[in-house]
Amino acid sequence: QVQLVESGGGLVKPGGSLRLSCAASGFTFSDYYMSWIRQAPGKGLEWVSYIDSSGSNIYYADSVKGRFTISRDNAKNSVFLQMNSLRAEDTAVYYCARVLAGGPSGLPDYWGQGTLVTVSS
Amino acid sequence: EIVMTQSPATLSVSPGERATLSCRASQSVSSNLAWYQQKPGQAPRLLIYGASTRATGIPARFSGSGSGTEFTLTISSLQSEDFAVYYCQQYNNWPPAWTFGQGTKVEIK
Repeated sequence: QVQLVESGGGLVKPGGSLRLSCAASGFTFSDYYMSWIRQAPGKGLEWVSYIDSSGSNIYYADSVKGRFTISRDNAKNSVFLQMNSLRAEDTAVYYCARVLAGGPSGLPDYWGQGTLVTVSS
Repeated sequence: EIVMTQSPATLSVSPGERATLSCRASQSVSSNLAWYQQKPGQAPRLLIYGASTRATGIPARFSGSGSGTEFTLTISSLQSEDFAVYYCQQYNNWPPAWTFGQGTKVEIK
């Protein structure tokens, strides 16, 4: 069965950095686009970033552009999110999700359980 | 940015009753609309995509309808495990710029 397991969250000071990882199993990872989506405490869902199957095409939400970097390692069945210059408003649970083909950009079908990032001094 | 607006914010329903949730897009998203269920402390689960196609393993009591800017999720007979928050999401953009509604909480009446 499809499994996505995030790690790397934690408490970081404003301006600091964190690197999130997501380990995938149960499907052919290199065939799928992947994405990160976040949810601030008690709030709704916000799309963060998106990477195609080869890692060649990458997109970001305006709120994180220039600060976050998505990447993947198909040999290790993993996707990553490098987060720099963190702000209090980046505090959220970060989910990685597999992208199901459909429409212009696909949609997230399977989601990991999430990892909590807290930005606070 | 396509803004997704869900109504109502909270829906109080008795077990066994029908629940109808609405989602409106600020511009047409064709049928590129998905619904998710989220329970406390859990990740969202895909219920419906393409506005009306049930995802793998989703019970038939969940159905979706609509196209363009107006969409509906119907739960025909609420079970105890259906009390949760439901989100709609559009995926009609390229490059991707997914947006989600603010959620509808379905609670026990």
